[in-house]
Amino acid sequence: QKEVEQDPGPLSVPEGAIVSLNCTYSNSAFQYFMWYRQYSRKGPELLMYTYSSGNKEDGRFTAQVDKSSKYISLFIRDSQPSDSATYLCALSRDDKIIFGKGTRLHILP
Amino acid sequence: KAGVTQTPRYLIKTRGQQVTLSCSPISGHRSVSWYQQTPGQGLQFLFEYFSETQRNKGNFPGRFSGRQFSNSRSEMNVSTLELGDSALYLCASSLRPGQQETQYFGPGTRLLVL
Repeated sequence: QKEVEQDPGPLSVPEGAIVSLNCTYSNSAFQYFMWYRQYSRKGPELLMYTYSSGNKEDGRFTAQVDKSSKYISLFIRDSQPSDSATYLCALSRDDKIIFGKGTRLHILP
Repeated sequence: KAGVTQTPRYLIKTRGQQVTLSCSPISGHRSVSWYQQTPGQGLQFLFEYFSETQRNKGNFPGRFSGRQFSNSRSEMNVSTLELGDSALYLCASSLRPGQQETQYFGPGTRLLVL
């Protein structure tokens, strides 16, 4: 079983829709949970960082962590064409970090 | 504040050659990590350096090596290149090891091995 699983997509949604991106993980030792956004030909950019179960909101973005289910989500409200990118989840424990393979998201104008 | 810079941005090499990639971290960041990104395997951790010492190493063969200088700049080297080494190599810097919330990535070096 892989340590982290993420649907590669692509996921296409109309502009203005709510987007839901998800990852599941197998090791309950992970302590920190992150979401990165990566545009084509760019490095990943940290969007959200959290270390507890529950929700964390930042503007149009909400990160949700459910440690009991080993499930993390990123919600994007009022999606914009500029949100079109690959989104990677990442989990860390101690000094080890594991990335999901990323979900390609297309927001259709 | 300048971001993480990586040179060169693109590189073409042939099998058996070696390559050296360079990374300059954000000013004040002392931890530098290297990652390999491929469509098949995604983003995989190579190694992390702090205070000129390698702190962590991912599951890569010994052909992959790195070092960090006293000014926190880092280089990674891949010897005896294989076709499978074709990838985007990303460098990321953070204030201290383990502080992913302060981690910033560079644009990467795209390596093609022919």
